[in-house]
Amino acid sequence: RKEVEQDPGPFNVPEGATVAFNCTYSNSASQSFFWYRQDCRKEPKLLMSVYSSGNEDGRFTAQLNRASQYISLLIRDSKLSDSATYLCVVSYTGTASKLTFGTGTRLQVTL
Amino acid sequence: DAGVIQSPRHEVTEMGQEVTLRCKPISGHDYLFWYRQTMMRGLELLIYFNNNVPIDDSGMPEDRFSAKMPNASFSTLKIQPSEPRDSAVYFCASTSTSGRAKETDTQYFGPGTRLTVL
Repeated sequence: RKEVEQDPGPFNVPEGATVAFNCTYSNSASQSFFWYRQDCRKEPKLLMSVYSSGNEDGRFTAQLNRASQYISLLIRDSKLSDSATYLCVVSYTGTASKLTFGTGTRLQVTL
Repeated sequence: DAGVIQSPRHEVTEMGQEVTLRCKPISGHDYLFWYRQTMMRGLELLIYFNNNVPIDDSGMPEDRFSAKMPNASFSTLKIQPSEPRDSAVYFCASTSTSGRAKETDTQYFGPGTRLTVL
């Protein structure tokens, strides 16, 4: 079983739609959680950290369920520029000193 | 800040040749990571260094792969001899564990080296 599992997609959604990605992790000792974004043929970049109470950054909302070892990312009012691969990332150390990446979920937003 | 710098950006070589990938981390960062990304396996951690010392190389696939970090501003990943299955994008990333909260949450990736072994 992979340490971090994601649905690879692709998710094809029209502009303005709301889309949600899910991710599960296997190690219950995991301490920190993140979503990274990777554009086509580019490097991954931090999108947002995921906190136990849930957090929001503009159109993006991240949720964490420690009991179910489940992380989610919700994107509201999708834009064409949101088209990318979204990587679910877990840390056992509480910092970015050792990260485990999921294989990513690809999102394609269309007109 | 210039960010993480990698060279070359593209490398095409023939099977059996030696390949050396280079990385300059962000100044002041104390961790450096080497990853490999393929469509099939996603992003895999190969090795990482803390204060120039290799901490975990369990992700290095074979003895053909080696990595060094002779100083805080430079690291190399070498493949000798290269094989077609080594074709992938190789990323270098760095982070600081002593900075602001935002910095310690983030690994900063370089643009990657796209390696093709024929």
